[in-house]
Amino acid sequence: GDSVTQMEGPVTLSEEAFLTINCTYTATGYPSLFWYVQYPGEGLQLLLKATKADDKGSNKGFEATYRKETTSFHLEKGSVQVSDSAVYFCALMNTGGFKTIFGAGTRLFVKA
Amino acid sequence: EAGVTQFPSHSVIEKGQTVTLRCDPISGHDNLYWYRRVMGKEIKFLLHFVKESKQDESGMPNNRFLAERTGGTYSTLKVQPAELEDSGVYFCASSVGQGSYEQYFGPGTRLTVT
Repeated sequence: GDSVTQMEGPVTLSEEAFLTINCTYTATGYPSLFWYVQYPGEGLQLLLKATKADDKGSNKGFEATYRKETTSFHLEKGSVQVSDSAVYFCALMNTGGFKTIFGAGTRLFVKA
Repeated sequence: EAGVTQFPSHSVIEKGQTVTLRCDPISGHDNLYWYRRVMGKEIKFLLHFVKESKQDESGMPNNRFLAERTGGTYSTLKVQPAELEDSGVYFCASSVGQGSYEQYFGPGTRLTVT
């Protein structure tokens, strides 16, 4: 079945460091890919998405590129801030689907 | 516009007791979903309503879980009787349509079974 694998955390970085959170997926067909973020005490928020191969999703300085050849959707940010501390979830939804398949989440701590 | 709301935010119950979680979707969203995250693992799909009808309940773990959406508005998820392994965070989400439509998530209900 469809699945998402993302790097285990926690990831601890200093402010202004470069962030990469790896995500790979297994799916039939052509899924849409997502990154969700959960800030402390809040619900899940959609951070960015990409719906087809080579698309790049971006938001709030975060980017991820849909790589079909490597079945990956790695999240990157050039310079993290303390306010980026949160749990990040990689996810997919298959074409015409309604069920979102999530990875286990990666907790990010950013130190001042 | 109000987002998806869930009640309670946190519930602590003893094994064998019953708990009912509530989700109020965004107004006008016919699609409502329940997910849960257990023990820091991945968030897993439980079921999907379209209006008051269950479209897919393949993710429901067993018959101790009962979800309803009477009238196609808010939904409840009842766990009876609760077991230790039911502890986790239960998320509700809603969307206007299916497929590429964004699912908006609520803050979750943290359930602790002792």
